[in-house]
Amino acid sequence: EIVLTQSPATLSLSPGERATLSCRASQSVSSYLAWYQQKPGQAPRLLIYDASNRATGIPARFSGSGSGTDFTLTISSLEPEDFAVYYCQQRSNWPPVYTFGQGTKLEIK
Amino acid sequence: QVQLVESGGGVVQPGGSLRLSCAASGFTFSSYGMHWVRQAPGKGLEWVAFIRYDGSNKYYADSVKGRFTISRDNSKNTLYLQMNSLRAEDTAVYYCAKDWPTWLVLDYWGQGTLVTVSS
Repeated sequence: EIVLTQSPATLSLSPGERATLSCRASQSVSSYLAWYQQKPGQAPRLLIYDASNRATGIPARFSGSGSGTDFTLTISSLEPEDFAVYYCQQRSNWPPVYTFGQGTKLEIK
Repeated sequence: QVQLVESGGGVVQPGGSLRLSCAASGFTFSSYGMHWVRQAPGKGLEWVAFIRYDGSNKYYADSVKGRFTISRDNSKNTLYLQMNSLRAEDTAVYYCAKDWPTWLVLDYWGQGTLVTVSS
């Protein structure tokens, strides 16, 4: 079973700053890695798929990179609405089990 | 636009059963796999189960295997989760989500329904 480890657990930054979130897989997941954003009381929203592609309607300040086992979500300049919890996700080949990282909480400093 | 609306949550005693439903609209339901994902209070996301577009294959997390059953009725555009032998640790918000098979991700989510297992 592939385990996804996100770091840091909590990231405290101010609006306008750059955020860098990490997701490490216990074994290679190729580029099939996604990122989701979840705000309090809301469902998760797909941000990034295939490691680096933005989902529909996602602002350009969000970008993803990486392949294999190390992945990064970058928010170039934080807006007030970006403070939320972010999860990475992958699917193993067989059996097709989906796994989420434990999440990174991005909070206002 | 894609809409997923869960229902059926509530309070149930340990050992009891509950069936969740997810009504889908805005896309061709019968062409896509579907998921259930849960989130315990204050915790992260946990994938629960997946069913292929035609119901031919189903996959489960180890934590629910043998107790939960995912199913679908394509004529009603509805996804189900039958939950038996419920435990306190099954307490969570349960989300249904649409599969995007090309990229192995969950591209649309419902707002969730809360299941509380308590005596």
